[in-house]
Amino acid sequence: EVQLVESGGGLVKPGGSLRLSCAASGFTFSSYSMNWVRQAPGKGLEWVSSISSSSSYIYYADSVKGRFTISRDNAKNSLYLQMNSLRAEDTAVYYCARDLGPTSRLLGMWGQGTLVTVSS
Amino acid sequence: QLVLTQSPSASASLGASVKLTCTLSSGHSSYAIAWHQQQPEKGPRYLMKLNSDGSHSKGDGIPDRFSGSSSGAERYLTISSLQSEDEADYYCQTWGTGTLVFGGGTKLTVL
Repeated sequence: EVQLVESGGGLVKPGGSLRLSCAASGFTFSSYSMNWVRQAPGKGLEWVSSISSSSSYIYYADSVKGRFTISRDNAKNSLYLQMNSLRAEDTAVYYCARDLGPTSRLLGMWGQGTLVTVSS
Repeated sequence: QLVLTQSPSASASLGASVKLTCTLSSGHSSYAIAWHQQQPEKGPRYLMKLNSDGSHSKGDGIPDRFSGSSSGAERYLTISSLQSEDEADYYCQTWGTGTLVFGGGTKLTVL
């Protein structure tokens, strides 16, 4: 089955850290760029970060630059998001998403999401 | 600056049709977009890719009731024979240099 499964969310205090994981299956993970997208409670979708298939290109939204680090392990079919210096405004459901195709930056597949709550 | 604009809400009756709009900012009318559906309390689901010429390709299992079209900088999602499960938020998405861009989303209510 083709799917993305996120894990690692939870409750963390402001200033704390958390590492999210996304396990991919059913497709050739190493051929696709991957992304993290988040959704704050009651809000729309917000792009967080992207990584190319071979990790050659990495991009971040300004809101997380310098605090979050995206990475991947193609041998393990896994995507990661290391989140440091967390703030209340980082509270959101975080989704792992795959590009539609090797040459398209449109998103073609989503995980079910993992909730991150930043609160004291 | 690349921006996608969507109306915050739309409504239509059960069994009717509705056309949602996503507008690309000036200078970006050639961009392809994707439409995504997010039902209540669920993660987003990819619906289709929509090109500037109106050609579109849908994701696996997306019913024929869903179709796309384009006119200039406007990208449309038409849902016909509305069903209760179509009540959801609909987002358009594209990409710029190193970034992904989302519209603000349209909340569709099925009456």
